[in-house]
This record gives sequence, structure tokens and C-alpha cells, in this order.
Amino acid sequence: GAGVSQSPSNKVTEKGKDVELRCDPISGHTALYWYRQSLGQGLEFLIYFQGNSAPDKSGLPSDRFSAERTGGSVSTLTIQRTQQEDSAVYLCASSFGVSGGTDTQYFGPGTRLTVL
Amino acid sequence: QKEVEQNSGPLSVPEGAIASLNCTYSDRGSQSFFWYRQYSGKSPELIMFIYSNGDKEDGRFTAQLNKASQYVSLLIRDSQPSDSATYLCAVNRVNAGGTSYGKLTFGQGTILTVHP
Repeated sequence: GAGVSQSPSNKVTEKGKDVELRCDPISGHTALYWYRQSLGQGLEFLIYFQGNSAPDKSGLPSDRFSAERTGGSVSTLTIQRTQQEDSAVYLCASSFGVSGGTDTQYFGPGTRLTVL
Repeated sequence: QKEVEQNSGPLSVPEGAIASLNCTYSDRGSQSFFWYRQYSGKSPELIMFIYSNGDKEDGRFTAQLNKASQYVSLLIRDSQPSDSATYLCAVNRVNAGGTSYGKLTFGQGTILTVHP
């Protein structure tokens, strides 16, 4: 595809339910990132994949959050036992994953998660 | 001290003026710097990046980097109402081997309004 795609675009769930968010990166991009953006909190990093491995999971806020990536492409972010504070826009980004610090990340449209 | 700080704004400029957006960062290991624009309800879109001291120009946009002062700025010349958005500064650091850490650390953003 032309850009990063994410699904669903909106998700409303009840507290305590599990949710899965999907990200499909730009073709050829080996690096994939999850961020979340909530009011007053700005954009915060969650996890980074290079290929199928996750060298940096430092941003996952609790063990209720997990993510996987298979085939070096699609990634799924899973939130178990959702809480109201999980309500946010979850953004996925991808990049070529080149070294040197000039790697540029391109964002998908995001998934707006609302936990009732 | 926040890792990345932006002038709090909101910033309002008249159409045709120069808008100046500022960002400071605390980590001297930061190597590359990105400016994203985010329209309300949309995901961030990359404007430009800079990693060498000095100025980098791209159309109406100029990024300026001063690593000694740990300061990066974005100038928008001939501002247009369509430039009205939140501008996000993001930094990326690399390790001694030149490998990117992957994640971007974002500032809180500066809201820019360009009025006719």
C-alpha cells in the first residue's frame, strides 16, 4: 500500500475486555513502532520492532499490553483487561530501519480506543 | 526536566508572516531531529528532519539546529492559514556504533494559528 494502514479506525469497548489493534506498515519498511497519544500526555512511545524482534519494549505501560509482529510485516498490539486510562489514539509508524540516526518514521491514521 | 520541550504556545501569526517554533532537548546523545505537523483529528505527518548543525531549507520551511545549545527550531515563511496545526518536535538518539535507538521522543507540541 501507499502508506501505513491501521484497523480498526475506532474501537469502543467495555472495561475489562481485551482488544487487538492492527498495523500494516509501508511495503519494504523493516522497522515498526507503536505510540499512543492521549489528551495532555502527548505522543508516547510503546514498542519498536526491527523485523520480527522487539529490541525496545520499554514504553509498554503494563503487562496488560503486548505486541507481536509476524513475517516482518503486520503487527498486532493487544491490550488485555482494558481500563479507562487506556483510552487514547494508538498510532503505528514504520521506517526503513537504517542506522545512522536519519531513519524517518511515517505514521498511520491511528486507532481511537475508547474504554467505557 | 522534560527530555524535549517546545514553546508552549499557542502561537498566532498573521498570514504572510514568519512563524518561529522552538524546541530544546536534554539528551546530548540526540543525533537527529524531526518536525511533524498534526492537524486536528489526524496523525502526524513529517515536514523535515535535520541532523547537522546549521540550517536546512525545504520550500517555505527552514529547520535550524544548534547542538551546542541543544536547540532546534522550525521557521515557516509566508505563513498560510493552511499551516494552522500542532507542530511536534521529535528527537532520536544513536549509540556509539551509530545505530539508531529507534524510538522518537516527542515534545508536547506547539499549536500554531495563522489568521487571515
